[in-house]
Amino acid sequence: SQTIHQWPATLVQPVGSPLSLECTVEGTSNPNLYWYRQAAGRGLQLLFYSVGIGQISSEVPQNLSASRPQDRQFILSSKKLLLSDSGFYLCAWSVRGETNPFSPLHFGNGTRLTVT
Amino acid sequence: SQQGEEDPQALSIQEGENATMNCSYKTSINNLQWYRQNSGRGLVHLILIRSNEREKHSGRLRVTLDTSKKSSSLLITASRAADTASYFCAKREYGNKLVFGAGTILRVKS
Repeated sequence: SQTIHQWPATLVQPVGSPLSLECTVEGTSNPNLYWYRQAAGRGLQLLFYSVGIGQISSEVPQNLSASRPQDRQFILSSKKLLLSDSGFYLCAWSVRGETNPFSPLHFGNGTRLTVT
Repeated sequence: SQQGEEDPQALSIQEGENATMNCSYKTSINNLQWYRQNSGRGLVHLILIRSNEREKHSGRLRVTLDTSKKSSSLLITASRAADTASYFCAKREYGNKLVFGAGTILRVKS
């Protein structure tokens, strides 16, 4: 069966420090991968998605970047965190493809980031 | 942008009652999906309804879709305390993106 791992679960970082959140998927190949952010009590904002190694689409211009160095690894990074980067970050995967628009998303358990 | 907008924002009911949540959207969809999120956790997929379907059931869940009104509803029958969570609708857009609404917070009191 497929599993998705996301770490760390919680993180407290000072303003101006770098960030690296990692997500890995097991049990599937060539997944679509996604990073979402959720502000407290709010819906999900799509940050990045990837359909393959090295292929990243950015949805919102911001202080963050994403990379996909391996097929099942997705990394969210920042060089200098801002207070506004605080939130709940969720990684997700789905079966790849325009040919499968009915594939649901499978989420990790998220990382709670607090920038102080 | 958020294409799926849920209402109510919050709902509090007694155990055993039914809970109905609504979702509206603005543009054409391929399918609409409902997800559940327990506090501090990731989202879990509940049910998907295709644009050519009008109703779908899964256990105590019933989803309807009215494409003429661009709206969907999620009904949870005979609610339990364990159903307490946030519920989100999400619209599948072209380009592999799934756009989520702001969610409905459901509290089931025992």
